This record gives sequence, C-alpha cells and structure tokens, in this order.
Amino acid sequence: GAVVSQHPSWVICKSGTSVKIECRSLDFQATTMFWYRQFPKQSLMLMATSNEGSKATYEQGVEKDKFLINHASLTLSTLTVTSAHPEDSSFYICSARGFDVVPYNSPLHFGNGTRLTVT
Amino acid sequence: TQLLKQSPQFLSIQEGENLTVYCNSSSVFSSLQWYRQEPGEGPVLLVTVVTGGEVKKLKRLTFQFGDARKDSSLHITAAQPGDTGLYLCAGGNSGYALNFGKGTSLLVTP
Repeated sequence: GAVVSQHPSWVICKSGTSVKIECRSLDFQATTMFWYRQFPKQSLMLMATSNEGSKATYEQGVEKDKFLINHASLTLSTLTVTSAHPEDSSFYICSARGFDVVPYNSPLHFGNGTRLTVT
Repeated sequence: TQLLKQSPQFLSIQEGENLTVYCNSSSVFSSLQWYRQEPGEGPVLLVTVVTGGEVKKLKRLTFQFGDARKDSSLHITAAQPGDTGLYLCAGGNSGYALNFGKGTSLLVTP
C-alpha cells in the first residue's frame, strides 16, 4: 500500500528556534499533501493544504508566517515551525492523497507523525 | 466547516463485549472513512463507505453508512485488547481535505 514517511519522529527544541518536518510519499506521487495538528487525546485539526508547485492554503487561524510549508516536488512537502514557542508543542501529522478520478473517495495516507516539544 | 460528531468520546469495556461507535453530521458527505490511531502514530485507514445504506465488514468490525449519507456507525463484536485505540471518522466531499470527528477513545481490558 501507499506509504508516507515523516521525519523526524520526535524533536525537542528551544524556544525561539525553528524546526523543519519532512513528509515524503514513498511509492506514489502526491500532488496534494495535508498537514494536521493533534493535541493529546484530541482529533486531527487541519492546518494547511500543500499543493505541489504552488502556495499552501492555510486554515483559518493558522499563521502562515509561522508555519511555513513548501511542496517543491511531487513526493516531498516540508513544514517549518518558525520561532517556536512552548504552545507550539504538539503532534504534527502529514498525509497525502494520490491521484484518483474521484478525489473525495480517495483515502488519505498518513505519516507516523512528529512529536514536537518546545522547551 | 462540516462538523462530524462522534459518540461516545471515551469507552472502556472488557474483552469479549460488543460496542458501537457513532459518527453524525448535519451535512451530507460523498464518502466517509474510518481510521484507527494508536498513541504516537498516524491514523490507519480501516474502511471507506460511499453509498447510502452501505454495510462493510472487516473481520469483527462492521461499518454502516446511513441512507442519507449523514451518519455512520462502527460496531465491534467480541472486542479484544488489540482493538484499543482512537477511532476517527472523517467525511469527504467536493474538496480534497477530510473533516475529522473528535474521535472515540476505546480501551479494552483483558
């Protein structure tokens, strides 16, 4: 099945620094990738939709200058948390959907997530 | 944003019991997907339902999509400790992103 690889699995950084998270589709091309954020025992909240070769679309309330998304190729999207603060500590999960003639029926393939802790 | 409400939010049962998790919305979805997530990992797709009234079975799990395509249920028969996890429903429509419910956290004790 389709595999999405996310790196790193966990990261601890100091407040004020930036952290980059990579999301790769290993065996399929993903024109669209999604970045979610999940707090403990809560559901996934969509942060932004990453489109290859164009600017990402951010959900309401998500600061685009703080959460920089780059989707430079059909297999790689990156999320950079800039000037991280303790409140940015969370579980970040990326997902990708391959091409399908019926896009809304296509399941999302998820990475294993990145646990970010900002001290 | 089309909201999906899941119930119950938390469920703790003993091994061998049956349970049902519900996913409801006031909006119609073209498809609905169920995922299972374990701590520290990404969600894993269990099933996709697209037709109103559709019933799909996956071993001890039975999924149903409501006739009006606004709701769905997940029934687990003879639950096992390995079924423990967070169960998420997600609705898809004309857009690409899925809207997720808040999830049902299931704990099955031996």
